[in-house]
Amino acid sequence: GESVGLHLPTLSVQEGDNSIINCAYSNSASDYFIWYKQESGKGPQFIIDIRSNMDKRQGQRVTVLLNKTVKHLSLQIAATQPGDSAVYFCAENPGNTGFQKLVFGTGTRLLVSP
Amino acid sequence: DVKVTQSSRYLVKRTGEKVFLECVQDMDHENMFWYRQDPGLGLRLIYFSYDVKMKEKGDIPEGYSVSREKKERFSLILESASTNQTSMYLCASSLLGVSNQPQHFGDGTRLSIL
Repeated sequence: GESVGLHLPTLSVQEGDNSIINCAYSNSASDYFIWYKQESGKGPQFIIDIRSNMDKRQGQRVTVLLNKTVKHLSLQIAATQPGDSAVYFCAENPGNTGFQKLVFGTGTRLLVSP
Repeated sequence: DVKVTQSSRYLVKRTGEKVFLECVQDMDHENMFWYRQDPGLGLRLIYFSYDVKMKEKGDIPEGYSVSREKKERFSLILESASTNQTSMYLCASSLLGVSNQPQHFGDGTRLSIL
């Protein structure tokens, strides 16, 4: 497969465990955040988003938490499955561009063992 | 579901050639984007467009141009390809709204310049 990052931080979990992937952002004016999943050989796939007026949002098996005080974003995946193995990265809208521009993190590789 | 289609998955070209990368989206999105993705650097914005015939430079526009003659199609042009433009190129689209909207990606074109 194709690698999107040669030296990405890696999180290894067992199937059925809960996974938590973290992201720190630097711009306190950022008002919108997204998590993407990228499987080998594919483009990034939208998972979930959250606006800065919220601190938690839930989807199907996923929860995003936003802590604006420490500028931290996390993605929690419940009952992780082998199909969740991928690179996950966060993106933020800096809020000062007058446009829907995103700044992307470099990602975390999630490895799920059966 | 949003469908963003990039015309080629793999492309090999020679230094100095003019290269065209094509992207089509089927969801009537106003915004379209071109990124390149390199190991350890994340996604970097090359150009974006918020309307037909409109274009704006992103963070790394040098050596590239774009064309948006129809709403659904956004083309990236490498005027004179160089080896440092070997990369994964990703196209994305999003809806123009009063609040932020997620960007949806194609599966990428892996371009090699020899």
